[in-house]
Amino acid sequence: DTGVSQDPRHKITKRGQNVTFRCDPISEHNRLYWYRQTLGQGPEFLTYFQNEAQLEKSRLLSDRFSAERPKGSFSTLEIQRTEQGDSAMYLCASSRPNTGGNSPLHFGNGTRLTVT
Amino acid sequence: AQTVTQSQPEMSVQEAETVTLSCTYDTSENNYYLFWYKQPPSRQMILVIRQEAYKQQNATENRFSVNFQKAAKSFSLKISDSQLGDTAMYFCAFMTNYGGSQGNLIFGKGTKLSVKP
Repeated sequence: DTGVSQDPRHKITKRGQNVTFRCDPISEHNRLYWYRQTLGQGPEFLTYFQNEAQLEKSRLLSDRFSAERPKGSFSTLEIQRTEQGDSAMYLCASSRPNTGGNSPLHFGNGTRLTVT
Repeated sequence: AQTVTQSQPEMSVQEAETVTLSCTYDTSENNYYLFWYKQPPSRQMILVIRQEAYKQQNATENRFSVNFQKAAKSFSLKISDSQLGDTAMYFCAFMTNYGGSQGNLIFGKGTKLSVKP
């Protein structure tokens, strides 16, 4: 169990640029989640995958955000035309098939995005 | 919609003493899960303890225990014999047990706990 890995750890970008983050889940976990955490707040759910299928998306995930998990392993989260309000910590988590909370989520260290 | 409220933004406790962190939630569901997660400074979030709503017995994990009051929709965390390594943000979280929202954790705003030597 090498843990959930996220890359990069930090990203500074100018408003209007596109950014892409990567998440590598724990290898035997088929569920993968993206959360966003702003300063002083708890994480907010964005989306999750079971294998390669994106099963749920939050209304927080505007059309500038897109997530993929093409082969059911790693996932990418892309933000197009970044805005200052996108500045946050983006957390990835993974879990085994979740039979109603019996499989806890394992979180990565996050990618901190700063939009200037 | 479900909500999770943590009314204590910050707390402090002396090493070796006991502290209780509060959490209340709102839901119309009868079957769900509640969690406490710990996020140390600049480190990843880890699960501290988990409670299934249909179980009346309060969950315990070593020095960590919960007081789950389903009717009152209250889920407090007690940390006994506090250690310096317990210093962290603590998040209470709710998860539904139904349908496609399984895995969607709803977090409170967190309580910053400082353990003082």
